Amino acid sequence: AQKITQTQPGMFVQEKEAVTLDCTYDTSDQSYGLFWYKQPSSGEMIFLIYQGSYDEQNATEGRYSLNFQKARKSANLVISASQLGDSAMYFCAMRESLQGAQKLVFGQGTRLTINP
Amino acid sequence: DGGITQSPKYLFRKEGQNVTLSCEQNLNHDAMYWYRQDPGQGLRLIYYSQIVNDFQKGDIAEGYSVSREKKESFPLTVTSAQKNPTAFYLCASSTSGAPGDTQYFGPGTRLTVL
Repeated sequence: AQKITQTQPGMFVQEKEAVTLDCTYDTSDQSYGLFWYKQPSSGEMIFLIYQGSYDEQNATEGRYSLNFQKARKSANLVISASQLGDSAMYFCAMRESLQGAQKLVFGQGTRLTINP
Repeated sequence: DGGITQSPKYLFRKEGQNVTLSCEQNLNHDAMYWYRQDPGQGLRLIYYSQIVNDFQKGDIAEGYSVSREKKESFPLTVTSAQKNPTAFYLCASSTSGAPGDTQYFGPGTRLTVL
């Protein structure tokens, strides 16, 4: 079974600093996908970034980038120039294929707090 | 404005009652999903549907039921058989369920059993 591990329950960062949120995964599949979502206090899950296992380049979306190290089975999220609005829960998730649909297996999340 | 709507935002249920959570999307997505989130936890899959009139159980389907009579709608019923239904429920959809498809989520429904 696939598993996602996020070892940082909480992180505190000064505004404008870069922050790295850790994510390691376990799978025996050759083809898989990794996602990061942001969950503000309102509860909605907001998609941030996606990395496919065969993608040669690390994914980037604006201030978000994914540090994908396949051999180490890690997919860390890097947020550059953090802002107060980045304070939220962040979830790493892995796609697991089941009968044609995709199931997301989520980690426990990391609560990020940006201090002014 | 395309998106996923869930209603109600907050729902209170007495023990022994069935309740239905609504999920509607106008993104023309084929696949829809229901997840449950408990405090301090990640999401767990309850049910999913790839196509109208077809749905499959996820990891924690016991005590829940769904229907998919229309492409846009995927309501979730929390039955009295669900032993601990107090949780945050999130609905999601994706284009087709193919690898690489991103799941987009609604705003969620917070269910509390009194």
